[in-house]
Amino acid sequence: AAGVIQSPRHLIKEKRETATLKCYPIPRHDTVYWYQQGPGQDPQFLISFYEKMQSDKGSIPDRFSAQQFSDYHSELNMSSLELGDSALYFCATPSKGNTEAFFGQGTRLTVV
Amino acid sequence: GQQLNQSPQSMFIQEGEDVSMNCTSSSIFNTWLWYKQDPGEGPVLLIALYKAGELTSNGRLTAQFGITRKDSFLNISASIPSDVGIYFCAGQGNTDKLIFGTGTRLQVFP
Repeated sequence: AAGVIQSPRHLIKEKRETATLKCYPIPRHDTVYWYQQGPGQDPQFLISFYEKMQSDKGSIPDRFSAQQFSDYHSELNMSSLELGDSALYFCATPSKGNTEAFFGQGTRLTVV
Repeated sequence: GQQLNQSPQSMFIQEGEDVSMNCTSSSIFNTWLWYKQDPGEGPVLLIALYKAGELTSNGRLTAQFGITRKDSFLNISASIPSDVGIYFCAGQGNTDKLIFGTGTRLQVFP
């Protein structure tokens, strides 16, 4: 069965650059969650979308923005990158009943 | 905000031993989920719990949703080397987003 696809898998950027992370949810699933996981940390919720509208917001910096498109894929845009933005970024799609979440393999962002 | 305390933080066991880890919360959750994460990979769902008191098994894994809805435990029986990884509990309250526990790092020695 198709899973959550994220791209790229790895990304290296310099400070103050911008980055765009992409997430393709499980087909026909209309909800996407974004999480950030720092080294040795648990995943922290950033933002979520339902039917192309922002549904919830967590600890997402103002330098970050995200959107969900008509095909339900989502993009996380990160500007003015800082060293502390280096982390694994996951997107997840809930099951149809919104009772479980299935994660992509993540994008490892390294800011140098 | 809601927080999940997970313990132990790390476990070093021998192959064949049983493992137990738990999560506690200051808030009530409607759903408890247990995930396993390998280095550099996304969390993989192991077990989902939906009702207080529910006890669910998945092979060598058993998890329970606490009666108070503020805690959950995960047991792994007869551990094997491929059980190595980080285990996270996650709770879901009145919103869809998941709140993760702090993780338990499991190391299994042959």
